Amino acid sequence: AQTVTQSQPEMSVQEAETVTLSCTYDTSESNYYLFWYKQPPSRQMILVIRQEAYKQQNATENRFSVNFQKAAKSFSLKISDSQLGDTAMYFCAFMGIQGAQKLVFGQGTRLTINP
Amino acid sequence: GAGVSQSPRYKVAKRGQDVALRCDPISGHVSLFWYQQALGQGPEFLTYFQNEAQLDKSGLPSDRFFAERPEGSVSTLKIQRTQQEDSAVYLCASSLWGVTSGGSGEQFFGPGTRLTVL
Repeated sequence: AQTVTQSQPEMSVQEAETVTLSCTYDTSESNYYLFWYKQPPSRQMILVIRQEAYKQQNATENRFSVNFQKAAKSFSLKISDSQLGDTAMYFCAFMGIQGAQKLVFGQGTRLTINP
Repeated sequence: GAGVSQSPRYKVAKRGQDVALRCDPISGHVSLFWYQQALGQGPEFLTYFQNEAQLDKSGLPSDRFFAERPEGSVSTLKIQRTQQEDSAVYLCASSLWGVTSGGSGEQFFGPGTRLTVL
């Protein structure tokens, strides 16, 4: 079974700083997808960024980028020029391509951006 | 509608009561998922539908949990004889297609139903 580990329960940075959230996972599959989801206090989960394991190039979405290290099974999220609206819980998630293609989530990192 | 909707948003039940939680996925989305999120934890998979077929129910914690999607759109998660350990947020998500059918894999989440069992 796949597992996802986020080792930073909480992080706090000043507005405009850069912050990196860590995520490691365990799987025996060779092809899969990885996601970072954001869950603001309103609770609705929103996709931040996705990475396909067979693509070597790291995904980027505006201020959000990932560092995907397939051999190390590491998938960190970098947020540049952080904004107050980035304050939320961030979940790393794994999805295999077999069967239900369900998401396996980590425990989450609570990120606070301070003014 | 524009997104996934769930109702009710909050539900308080006495131990032993039955509850029904509704999910309206994005129109046309083939895949529908239910997740359970305990306080301070990441969501955990409960069950998966492809259209009206329930293809995976491996995450349902007991036979008190039952889900259906009879017409391939709206889904209902039913919990019989609720227990205190059932208290959690129940999230519904939908996606257009699976990745093996050309989809992106992105799941769109509803706001969740917070269930409190007293």
